[in-house]
Order: sequence, then structure tokens, then C-alpha cells
Amino acid sequence: QKEVEQDPGPLSVPEGAIVSLNCTYSNSAFQYFMWYRQYSRKGPELLMYTYSSGNKEDGRFTAQVDKSSKYISLFIRDSQPSDSATYLCAMTTGTASKLTFGTGTRLQVTL
Amino acid sequence: KAGVTQTPRYLIKTRGQQVTLSCSPISGHRSVSWYQQTPGQGLQFLFEYFSETQRNKGNFPGRFSGRQFSNSRSEMNVSTLELGDSALYLCASSLFGTGDEKLFFGSGTQLSVL
Repeated sequence: QKEVEQDPGPLSVPEGAIVSLNCTYSNSAFQYFMWYRQYSRKGPELLMYTYSSGNKEDGRFTAQVDKSSKYISLFIRDSQPSDSATYLCAMTTGTASKLTFGTGTRLQVTL
Repeated sequence: KAGVTQTPRYLIKTRGQQVTLSCSPISGHRSVSWYQQTPGQGLQFLFEYFSETQRNKGNFPGRFSGRQFSNSRSEMNVSTLELGDSALYLCASSLFGTGDEKLFFGSGTQLSVL
């Protein structure tokens, strides 16, 4: 079993919808949680960076961490076609460079 | 501010050959990490360098090696290439030791082994 589980999708939503992306993990030592967005043929781009449990909002994006359930989420409000990409969750115990990634969820936002 | 730069963007090699990939971090970033991305395994950590020293290492065979230069630029080498080494190799840099250690990735080098 992988340390980080993420539904690969694809997830298809209409423009303007609220998107919910999720990851579960098994290692209770994870302290830092990230969401990256990756477009085709590009490297991952950091979207959200959170420490421990709670919510963090940045524009149309909200990241949630529930350490008791070992569950993290990314919500995208008012989704746009430009949000179509693969979304990767990542986490680390404290070594910022040694991230453990989910396999990514492919999102398609349709007009 | 320029991002993480990786060269070359694409490489085609044959089994048994060796390859060297290059990475220039964001200016001021002294930590450089390397990841391998494949459709089956996703993103996997290879190793990290800071101040020319390997600080962390993932679970990859010794055929995968790297180094960092005094200007923080890094190279990754894969010897005796195998078909399974075909992947997108990503370099990332961060401000390790500053408390703001977010990881920023380059666009990667797509390696195909024939």
C-alpha cells in the first residue's frame, strides 16, 4: 500500500463548478502538506503549502488538512478551463525537499 | 526572477549508455533536489544536495548519482541505462535553512531509453 493515496480521475466538471480533490495518507509523521498543479509537459507548480491541521485560503483555492483522519483536500471555486491539469498532493515529515507525492488527479474543466 | 532551468528538455538514449542532466536553481536557492516521474510510479525522490553535499537520498540504485557545484548548479548522472529509466526527471530548488523551504520545480528533462 502506498503512503499517499490519490484518486487518479479523470475528473470532469463544467466551468464554474466547485472542485474537490482529496488525498489520504498513512504516515502520521507527515507535518507539511502541499498541493501542486502540473500542466502537460511542464513541471509541478506549487499552489498551496500548509502546516499541520486546519484550513488555508488563497483566492479560489482552499486547502484543508485533517491530521486526525489523515486526510487532505483542495477545493477550487468557480473552476475555469485553465484549471484543467493534473493536481498532485505532496507531504513531508519536515525535510522540505524529500516530498512524498500522490499519483495525481487529472482534472478537466469543460465549457 | 528566473525559475529553475533544466537542460536538455529531451533526450533519447539506448540501453547501456549513460546520461548527464543539468539543473540551475532559482537565484539564491542553495538546495537542489531531483525527482523521477513515471506514469506508473508517479513522482519519486532521488536525492537532494545542499552546499555541494548530498543531504538526503531516496531508494534508487547506485546507477543514479548526482553532484552540486559551488554555484549551486547540479547535475544528475544515470549510468548503464535501462528501459525502465525512461521518465521525466525533475529538478527542484528551495531556500533550505531559512524557514521558507517551499520546493519549486523546473520543467524537467524527458528521457527516453530505447
